[in-house]
Amino acid sequence: GAVVSQHPSWVICKSGTSVKIECRSLDFQATTMFWYRQFPKQSLMLMATSNEGSKATYEQGVEKDKFLINHASLTLSTLTVTSAHPEDSSFYICSARPYTGELFFGEGSRLTVL
Amino acid sequence: SQKIEQNSEALNIQEGKTATLTCNYTNYSPAYLQWYRQDPGRGPVFLLLIRENEKEKRKERLKVTFDTTLKQSLFHITASQPADSATYLCALDNAGNMLTFGGGTRLMVKP
Repeated sequence: GAVVSQHPSWVICKSGTSVKIECRSLDFQATTMFWYRQFPKQSLMLMATSNEGSKATYEQGVEKDKFLINHASLTLSTLTVTSAHPEDSSFYICSARPYTGELFFGEGSRLTVL
Repeated sequence: SQKIEQNSEALNIQEGKTATLTCNYTNYSPAYLQWYRQDPGRGPVFLLLIRENEKEKRKERLKVTFDTTLKQSLFHITASQPADSATYLCALDNAGNMLTFGGGTRLMVKP
């Protein structure tokens, strides 16, 4: 089946630094990818829709200047958490869907900001 | 407002029994409904997709029903095993390229 790879799987950074998370679709092209955030014991919250070759669409309440999304190719989207603060610590998950409709998720990236 | 409701309380069942999880929604007209499994610290994994014109879909020990009149989907795992223990998420798709997820139900299968 389709595979979505996410990297890194976990990262620890100091407050004020920026962290980049990559999401790759390994065996299909994805014009659209999705970035979610998940707090412990809570469901997935859609942050933004990443569109290849154009600007991302952010959900209400998500700061686009803080969570920079770049979708430079049909197989790669990146999420950069800029000037990270401890409250940005969370589990970030990307996903992509081929033409068949189901969503394939990356393994997630756990960010801890000290 | 649109809502997707899954039982937030954990479902505990004995190995070998059938687990039934519920997903109710309001103010949606989904074209598809999907079920995912999520293990702690991992990304969700797709299980089944059922279309609005389908009443039931099966895959091995899994069965999903979709009642657009009741606005409800039931997810069944027959002959449950401890390895089935996980959180199960339902997601609605209005064919607009976006999925909206329910809060998930944690299933615990005891040996």
